[in-house]
Amino acid sequence: KQEVTQIPAALSVPEGENLVLNCSFTDSAIYNLQWFRQDPGKGLTSLLLIQSSQREQTSGRLNASLDKSSGRSTLYIAASQPGDSATYLCAVKLSFGAGTTVTVRA
Amino acid sequence: KAGVTQTPRYLIKTRGQQVTLSCSPISGHRSVSWYQQTPGQGLQFLFEYFSETQRNKGNFPGRFSGRQFSNSRSEMNVSTLELGDSALYLCASSGLAGGANTGELFFGEGSRLTVL
Repeated sequence: KQEVTQIPAALSVPEGENLVLNCSFTDSAIYNLQWFRQDPGKGLTSLLLIQSSQREQTSGRLNASLDKSSGRSTLYIAASQPGDSATYLCAVKLSFGAGTTVTVRA
Repeated sequence: KAGVTQTPRYLIKTRGQQVTLSCSPISGHRSVSWYQQTPGQGLQFLFEYFSETQRNKGNFPGRFSGRQFSNSRSEMNVSTLELGDSALYLCASSGLAGGANTGELFFGEGSRLTVL
């Protein structure tokens, strides 16, 4: 059974600081890994999808890396803004981490 | 193009009742998966359907069931509701993008169920 762990559980940073969110998974036989953002009471918004053959994926200020052999992915958010405050979840094979709740202070 | 649509958005039921939730996937997507999200347990996988067949199932009791229709729309049903079934129920669809199925999940806004 795939286990997905996200560290830290919560993070508070001042505006402008870079964010680093970690995701680890136990079964390296994956098809892809996906990062999501969730605002309170809302559904999940897809941020980045990394296929198992890729090492990283970028979209604007977001960059996600994937190391299948070590079972890890990292989401980097550059120059954080208050609007980045949300819970970020990673998903592998229909299994989700508990998420990292990010607060960006103005 | 339209996203994933879930109905109803909010509902209140009492213990012992049953509930049916609906999910319309993105046009062209044939895979629909369902999840339960609670503050204590996080996001947990319920089941996945592809072309009207259940392809994967999570670790939930038999009171939770689902189905998928020929137009890919899906429903999930919870019978004999318990207080612990209060949760946000999320549906996701995935399918072809540019000729290839990337497996990318697209979520609806969810159905918030409160059991009294």
